[in-house]
Amino acid sequence: AQSVSQHNHHVILSEAASLELGCNYSYGGTVNLFWYVQYPGQHLQLLLKYFSGDPLVKGIKGFEAEFIKSKFSFNLRKPSVQWSDTAEYFCAVSSTGGGNKLTFGTGTQLKVEL
Amino acid sequence: GAGVSQTPSNKVTEKGKYVELRCDPISGHTALYWYRQSLGQGPEFLIYFQGTGAADDSGLPNDRFFAVRPEGSVSTLKIQRTERGDSAVYLCASSLSISVSRTDTQYFGPGTRLTVL
Repeated sequence: AQSVSQHNHHVILSEAASLELGCNYSYGGTVNLFWYVQYPGQHLQLLLKYFSGDPLVKGIKGFEAEFIKSKFSFNLRKPSVQWSDTAEYFCAVSSTGGGNKLTFGTGTQLKVEL
Repeated sequence: GAGVSQTPSNKVTEKGKYVELRCDPISGHTALYWYRQSLGQGPEFLIYFQGTGAADDSGLPNDRFFAVRPEGSVSTLKIQRTERGDSAVYLCASSLSISVSRTDTQYFGPGTRLTVL
């Protein structure tokens, strides 16, 4: 069975600080990797995903993530956060051949202070 | 266009009662997923449908949980003899198909918050 670990449960940053949220997954086969975000009062929405090819993936709102297969990691980064990035961030994985069902991590609550 | 909708947005029930939660996917999406999110946790997969059939129901916790999608569009998640531990936000998502692809994405609804007293 696959699993996802997000080690940072709560992160507080000042505006313009750089962000890196950790995500590690456990699965022996080929995976697809995702970062979803949930802004206060809103639905879960996709930030970015890795399907295949270039391991550096760029998403919306200036976010990017790098898939490092040898480390089973897919960390999310943003060079300069804004107050509007305050949200909960979820890393997720699906396995090729396993349908499209997602296995999520427990989430990281990010608070950006002015 | 319209996104995934779920009704009701909130449901409070008593232990032992039966509840139904409804999901209306994006028009044209053949794949539909149910997840459950408990407090402080990420969403947890329950079941998904391709068309009318349940392609994978391995996440349903026990036989009190059942879901249907009789016409391949709207889906209903049914919970019998509710327990306090069933309290959670139930999320529905839809996508064009269950095949993983670079261009397809799961779109989530707002969820139904179920509270079992």
